[in-house]
Amino acid sequence: AQRVTQPEKLLSVFKGAPVELKCNYSYSGSPELFWYVQYSRQRLQLLLRHISRESIKGFTADLNKGETSFHLKKPFAQEEDSAMYYCALRRHNQGGKLIFGQGTELSVKP
Amino acid sequence: EPEVTQTPSHQVTQMGQEVILRCVPISNHLYFYWYRQILGQKVEFLVSFYNNEISEKSEIFDDRFSVERPDGSNFTLKIRSTKLEDSAMYFCASTSPGQGAVNEKLFFGSGTQLSVL
Repeated sequence: AQRVTQPEKLLSVFKGAPVELKCNYSYSGSPELFWYVQYSRQRLQLLLRHISRESIKGFTADLNKGETSFHLKKPFAQEEDSAMYYCALRRHNQGGKLIFGQGTELSVKP
Repeated sequence: EPEVTQTPSHQVTQMGQEVILRCVPISNHLYFYWYRQILGQKVEFLVSFYNNEISEKSEIFDDRFSVERPDGSNFTLKIRSTKLEDSAMYFCASTSPGQGAVNEKLFFGSGTQLSVL
């Protein structure tokens, strides 16, 4: 069965500190991995997708198939990064059916 | 950017009653989804809908649940005989036509908080 694990419920850092939100997955095929973000009182929105290999708002994530991980990183956290972050997996060609992790709340303190 | 709209933002109902949660997907989207999130738990897939029929559903989506697109713009989730455990935030989502491919981006609504008393 496919599963996404985000081991930290809450990650608290100071402004300017590096951030790494962990995500591990379990899937025997070729996964498609995403990070979604939910700012306070806003809707879930796509932050990153592994296929694009992009950097959004300073965040990057690399798919490591050997370690089955897709950790989200940012070298210098900003207060406006405070939000819930969800890692999600989609099986190849499975359309919009996403399997989400539990979510990690990132709190960036001034 | 266009948005997926959900109404109401909060719905309270008595156990055993029927509720209808409404969504207006982005106008040129053809794939529609419902997800839910019980407080403190994961966002879970419920159902996907394309070409006026369900394309996939999860175990949660039992025979009390139904979806329809009654008029070409709205996409509704109906729950009959509601149970206490149906209490959750329900998210509607839609995506662009002709994809279902690796670059597909889901657009989520802001959710309806359903409270079953």
